[in-house]
Amino acid sequence: ILNVEQSPQSLHVQEGDSTNFTCSFPSSNFYALHWYRWETAKSPEALFVMTLNGDEKKKGRISATLNTKEGYSYLYIKGSQPEDSATYLCALYVEGKLIFGQGTELSVKP
Amino acid sequence: GAGVSQTPSNKVTEKGKYVELRCDPISGHTALYWYRQSLGQGPEFLIYFQGTGAADDSGLPNDRFFAVRPEGSVSTLKIQRTERGDSAVYLCASSLGTGGLGELFFGEGSRLTVL
Repeated sequence: ILNVEQSPQSLHVQEGDSTNFTCSFPSSNFYALHWYRWETAKSPEALFVMTLNGDEKKKGRISATLNTKEGYSYLYIKGSQPEDSATYLCALYVEGKLIFGQGTELSVKP
Repeated sequence: GAGVSQTPSNKVTEKGKYVELRCDPISGHTALYWYRQSLGQGPEFLIYFQGTGAADDSGLPNDRFFAVRPEGSVSTLKIQRTERGDSAVYLCASSLGTGGLGELFFGEGSRLTVL
């Protein structure tokens, strides 16, 4: 059974803190990795789609890196704001579908 | 509409009843996915369609679950003889079907509660 692991499961930070979390996945036959943000009472929204080893993508204060050889991706948030509070999901593309990790729930206190 | 639409947003039913959940994807999106999310877990793959046909239904937990997409647009997830363990948020997503390079666009989900 293919396993996509995310850590930590939850994270509580103060406004202005920078934070990062991890997504680990099997490195064999890698094709693509997705990151999504899911705010309460809304639908999950795509942040990044990453395909190349060493890839680094950035959207505002959020960035992500990818290491396909060792099977991990990091998501970084610089200067967290309360509106960043959400569950962050990574997903591995396998045979036509996305397999999701369990998510990291981020809470940013003002 | 502009996004993926799911109805109903909330459904409460009794054990043993039949339930249908509907998904209206973004116009022109050929790929449609159903996921189930239970408390504390990530979305669990159920089935995906490419056009009208189910390309992969390996995630359907048992034969009480069935999904259709007869005209390649709207999809219905059908659950027979519901059990309490079926309680979850059922998410639908669509994409342009460009393989792993295309992001998924999700609806807000249908929350199913089986009493």
